[in-house]
Amino acid sequence: GAVVSQHPSWVICKSGTSVKIECRSLDFQATTMFWYRQFPKQSLMLMATSNEGSKATYEQGVEKDKFLINHASLTLSTLTVTSAHPEDSSFYICSARDLGGGQADTQYFGPGTRLTVL
Amino acid sequence: AQSVTQPDIHITVSEGASLELRCNYSYGATPYLFWYVQSPGQGLQLLLKYFSGDTLVQGIKGFEAEFKRSQSSFNLRKPSVHWSDAAEYFCAVGAGGAGRRALTFGSGTRLQVQP
Repeated sequence: GAVVSQHPSWVICKSGTSVKIECRSLDFQATTMFWYRQFPKQSLMLMATSNEGSKATYEQGVEKDKFLINHASLTLSTLTVTSAHPEDSSFYICSARDLGGGQADTQYFGPGTRLTVL
Repeated sequence: AQSVTQPDIHITVSEGASLELRCNYSYGATPYLFWYVQSPGQGLQLLLKYFSGDTLVQGIKGFEAEFKRSQSSFNLRKPSVHWSDAAEYFCAVGAGGAGRRALTFGSGTRLQVQP
């Protein structure tokens, strides 16, 4: 099946710094990727939809200036948490839609990135 | 807007026993339905999905789910649970071509397996 990777798998940073998380589709192309956030023992909440070559669409309540999303190619989307604060500590998961074949309507999820802001 | 309800937050079953995890959805048209499993600290693995056709779908690891439109349900079942099945299970619904839009997830059901 299709594989999505995320890097890094975990990161610890100081408050006020910025952190970049990469999401890559390894064996397929994805015009659309999604970024989710998951707090401990909670479900996944959509943050934004990342579209290749255009601006991301953010969900209500998600600050677009804080969570910068860039989808520069069909296999890579990045999420940058700017001026991170402890309340941004969470598990960030991306997913990508496979463009081709019978799996076009399935999203594949990355392994997640655990962010801890001190 | 679509929504998903997983009524059971936590379920404990004995190894070898059967399992059923409940999922109810709310959506105006035919939904795209998914079950994912998440081990601690890990991402999500797709167990199975329903788009159309046969309402009983088979997935990986011996799981199956049945779509019942009249009950707006998509319950996950497994006839004999293994200790390695202990994890968090999420039901999700997508709309308008599930790949085009993000999924809406239920709150999850944590499965514990007793030896």
